[in-house]
Amino acid sequence: NAGVTQTPKFRVLKTGQSMTLLCAQDMNHEYMYWYRQDPGMGLRLIHYSVGEGTTAKGEVPDGYNVSRLKKQNFLLGLESAAPSQTSVYFCASSYQAEQFFGPGTRLTVL
Amino acid sequence: EDQVTQSPEALRLQEGESSSLNCSYTVSGLRGLFWYRQDPGKGPEFLFTLYSAGEEKEKERLKATLTKKESFLHITAPKPEDSATYLCAVLRGDYKLSFGAGTTVTVRA
Repeated sequence: NAGVTQTPKFRVLKTGQSMTLLCAQDMNHEYMYWYRQDPGMGLRLIHYSVGEGTTAKGEVPDGYNVSRLKKQNFLLGLESAAPSQTSVYFCASSYQAEQFFGPGTRLTVL
Repeated sequence: EDQVTQSPEALRLQEGESSSLNCSYTVSGLRGLFWYRQDPGKGPEFLFTLYSAGEEKEKERLKATLTKKESFLHITAPKPEDSATYLCAVLRGDYKLSFGAGTTVTVRA
């Protein structure tokens, strides 16, 4: 089992560009999450999903959109990237309380 | 407002020198407290879940305890491979996790 995988691992964008981060899990988990991690701050929840076809806002949703068309995939989109979105993005999935995390995507917006 | 505070921010230990990390929280409707380990450039790795005050969990040199206001992660006789950032997270009443900023532990041989 690969667990939770994320693509790409690194990305550099210019302000105003768009991109999509892909998260995939092979554990048949219902719940999936997108977090961002910034220096000196805890992981902050961007959006989450409680099942295929559902999405909901977390603590810091502005500037991001998500989709969960298939149970195993959770996509995070940035329509118009801003320097404030420079961060490390983590995807996680869970069946019950324990969340399992992917390896992260390091995004830099110039 | 829900808050999770970890202290210290950084901890430098000599191999074999035991110590404790603190996670204090103010959360309405706590449903559980989690400890994760994070190595540089990697995602958090699950260590423990604690659900009620007085509960303890152990794994190798790590032991986690929980009171009504805080949790401790005790590292006994640490080795260099225990060097990592340790994250605390609380599961709130709405089933979302709130994370602390972490404690970075460095163990010197």
